[in-house]
Amino acid sequence: EVQLVESGGGLVQPGGSLRLSCAGSGFTFSKYWMHWVRQAPGKGLMWVSRIDNNGRTTTYADSVKGRFTISRDNAKSTLYLQMNNLRAEDTAVYFCARVENEFDYWGQGTLVTVSS
Amino acid sequence: QSALTQPASVSGSPGQSITISCTGTSNDIGAYNYVSWYQQHPGKVPKLMIYDVTERPSGASNRFSGSKSGNTASLTISGLQAEDEADYYCCSYAGDVTPWVFGGGTKLTVL
Repeated sequence: EVQLVESGGGLVQPGGSLRLSCAGSGFTFSKYWMHWVRQAPGKGLMWVSRIDNNGRTTTYADSVKGRFTISRDNAKSTLYLQMNNLRAEDTAVYFCARVENEFDYWGQGTLVTVSS
Repeated sequence: QSALTQPASVSGSPGQSITISCTGTSNDIGAYNYVSWYQQHPGKVPKLMIYDVTERPSGASNRFSGSKSGNTASLTISGLQAEDEADYYCCSYAGDVTPWVFGGGTKLTVL
């Protein structure tokens, strides 16, 4: 069974940093591009970032470019999202997702709250 | 890259059919056949219902179907059931710069 389990969310002050993790199991993690998607409270889904299966190619939404860094450790089957210089508008549930041409498996999400 | 445009809400009675539209541009929906639809119940994880415009994954009810014409994709749910009440999101591939764009979501109410 495919499973994705996020961790690392929490309360952080504006300008602070946080690192999210997403542990994958039940599939060959190193074969898949992985993504982060977020959902602000009461709002819709927003694509955040992606990384290719080797970790060499990364892409970011304009709103997080230069502040967030996606990475992965295939030996540990784990995806990461390093979030720096956090803003109030980054407050959201962050989901990791496995993607081929669709987001077929999602983690349960981890809540990030940016507030003083 | 702007979000895809969906109606904020739709409603229908049990047994009826409804259609949710998703309007994009020639750079996303109009350019690629990588349109997918997700169902999300309150507090839950999004669930894939349709991919590649018309394909249904195992585990998704055959009452759900998808289509596309030009820059607009559609999700049709037939034989509405109470359990279908949820938020629905469309998504399209949009190229290498901002590869994925979601719609704003549609709240389906089963009357």
